[in-house]
Amino acid sequence: DIVMTQSPLYLPVTPGEPASISCRSSQSLLNSNGYHYLEWYLQKPGQSPQLLIYLASDRASGVPDRFSGSGSGTDFTLKISRVEAEDVGVYYCMQALQSPRTFGQGTKVEIK
Amino acid sequence: QVQLQESGPGLVKPSETLSLTCTVSGGSVTNNYWSWIRQPPKKGLEWIAYVHYSAENNYSPSLKSRVTISLDASKNQFSLKLSSVTAADTAVYYCARHSGRGVGGGYTAYDLDYWGQGTLVTVSS
Repeated sequence: DIVMTQSPLYLPVTPGEPASISCRSSQSLLNSNGYHYLEWYLQKPGQSPQLLIYLASDRASGVPDRFSGSGSGTDFTLKISRVEAEDVGVYYCMQALQSPRTFGQGTKVEIK
Repeated sequence: QVQLQESGPGLVKPSETLSLTCTVSGGSVTNNYWSWIRQPPKKGLEWIAYVHYSAENNYSPSLKSRVTISLDASKNQFSLKLSSVTAADTAVYYCARHSGRGVGGGYTAYDLDYWGQGTLVTVSS
């Protein structure tokens, strides 16, 4: 199985400031088609996870442009350009390259 | 708007079989891949299995011996059965849709674009 490792696991943030979460995979997530099969999800308190980013850097429909994904190979980053109060929750990366799909441990984002 | 709704018993006895159904509205189960994911209390997400109308399915190796996933197009539903449950199977169980969105070059992404609200299943005698 591909192991996904996130850091930090806890991230206190100040509204209006940027934030960044790292996700590392135990093997490259580059598919032979040239795409990296890495996704980011946000689970807000008391809610189901929601898709933020797919193919490492494509924002899902309705996701604010303050969210961006980047990275390649085994190292990926989710950035929030200016954190808003509604961004609190647990962020998960997930690899979709091979089965079984595996998630990172989650990064809890809270307002300072 | 696609909506998914999980249903099934909230309490299952140890050694018995957990059975859940996901009812899909606003879309057809014949058009996408569909997954089950679970989340033990206060813990992270674990993918369990996916199914497709073509009868293709795939299971997490750690659960494969105990899991069956199936799809009923006539009811627009898909289901999960997990046998020989223990307390370690206590979790919120989510059903979700794989987008199957086309991307550049004629390729496809299979991100999880719609999720159910989740249902808590407790394994206890």
